[in-house]
Amino acid sequence: ETGVTQTPRHLVMGMTNKKSLKCEQHLGHNAMYWYKQSAKKPLELMFVYSLEERVENNSVPSRFSPECPNSSHLFLHLHTLQPEDSALYLCASSQSREGAGYTFGSGTRLTVV
Amino acid sequence: GENVEQHPSTLSVQEGDSAVIKCTYSDSASNYFPWYKQELGKGPQLIIDIRSNVGEKKDQRIAVTLNKTAKHFSLHITETQPEDSAVYFCAASRGHNDMRFGAGTRLTVKP
Repeated sequence: ETGVTQTPRHLVMGMTNKKSLKCEQHLGHNAMYWYKQSAKKPLELMFVYSLEERVENNSVPSRFSPECPNSSHLFLHLHTLQPEDSALYLCASSQSREGAGYTFGSGTRLTVV
Repeated sequence: GENVEQHPSTLSVQEGDSAVIKCTYSDSASNYFPWYKQELGKGPQLIIDIRSNVGEKKDQRIAVTLNKTAKHFSLHITETQPEDSAVYFCAASRGHNDMRFGAGTRLTVKP
């Protein structure tokens, strides 16, 4: 266990479904991130929350909607996804300061059918 | 934004040999360079990092070197073991909340 917990570990959803991914950390970190990991591609930064405010939205389609109700929890709401959205979605947390290392969760393996 | 290139994409070595993974970055303001190891079914885990005011850092069998002038940094693993088999990612950042990752290197250590 890294201290960052993601649920569910696996998710299969249809293109018309609505689902949510959850991330939780109790490391005392105040920044949280969503990354998309696809085969043979760099980790793609999707969203950054620092001190519960979204500080970056990296040109992510609106069918992905993040929510950060407090510094310990982060959600990614999904609706009307496409098959190309199938990937491993990783949550990470860190201190919101220069040179802070990230702690990752184990990810949610998402398959869109 | 930051662009991080990583080579090779796959690397196979014999147990006991050394492994070297190289990365280059584009943003000269980058000042923090971590390396992550990702095992099957897990998220990336930080294994070592280096900051721009240091040229080399070592932790047991792993070491990182940084050449700020050339904008490249490398991971060196000595005396490799089968449990070192994983995907390794380099990353670079210039502030906070802006980590950019390389595409990863799949390292296989053959017993």
